[in-house]
Amino acid sequence: ELKVEQNPLFLSMQEGKNYTIYCNYSTTSDRLYWYRQDPGKSLESLFVLLSNGAVKQEGRLMASLDTKARLSTLHITAAVHDLSATYFCAVVPQKLVFGQGTRLTINP
Amino acid sequence: DAGITQSPRHKVTETGTPVTLRCHQTENHRYMYWYRQDPGHGLRLIHYSYGVKDTDKGEVSDGYSVSRSKTEDFLLTLESATSSQTSVYFCAIRSVLEYEQYFGPGTRLTVT
Repeated sequence: ELKVEQNPLFLSMQEGKNYTIYCNYSTTSDRLYWYRQDPGKSLESLFVLLSNGAVKQEGRLMASLDTKARLSTLHITAAVHDLSATYFCAVVPQKLVFGQGTRLTINP
Repeated sequence: DAGITQSPRHKVTETGTPVTLRCHQTENHRYMYWYRQDPGHGLRLIHYSYGVKDTDKGEVSDGYSVSRSKTEDFLLTLESATSSQTSVYFCAIRSVLEYEQYFGPGTRLTVT
């Protein structure tokens, strides 16, 4: 059974700080997705990582994928309040399987 | 929003009643999905469809059925709703490009 585990599950940060969210998965997958969800809203696609060593950046967020380690990271640089949300990673060997989500709160 | 709508957006129903949720897409995507979202569980796949009248089960399909009689609509039915089916339900489509999934706005279902 495929398992996707994120850590931490809750993260409270200060504005201006850097931090990383980790996503581990238990079986081979050549594709990994990161999504953002604001409270009461749907999921918004952030990144699609398609190969080992893939790195994508958008603003203060950068995602990377290591398929050999079965690990993806979402790095936040110089956090701002607008990045407060829940972040999900998901893998799809055949069907999309989601991690539990990381609720990120950024405090002034 | 990739042209996905869900209806109703909110529903309160009683235990034992049937409930049907509708997902409608306007972009002719072949693959459609139903997920439920519960605290601490992320999103879990209920059923998915890979074409008209072609459906398959996900990891939490018990108590749910689906139908897809035309490309644009994917229906999720709770034959006899239970309190454990109180959840937020999301529909999604899969794009051809990078197999990325796009999600509808969600339906909040409360079973009392």
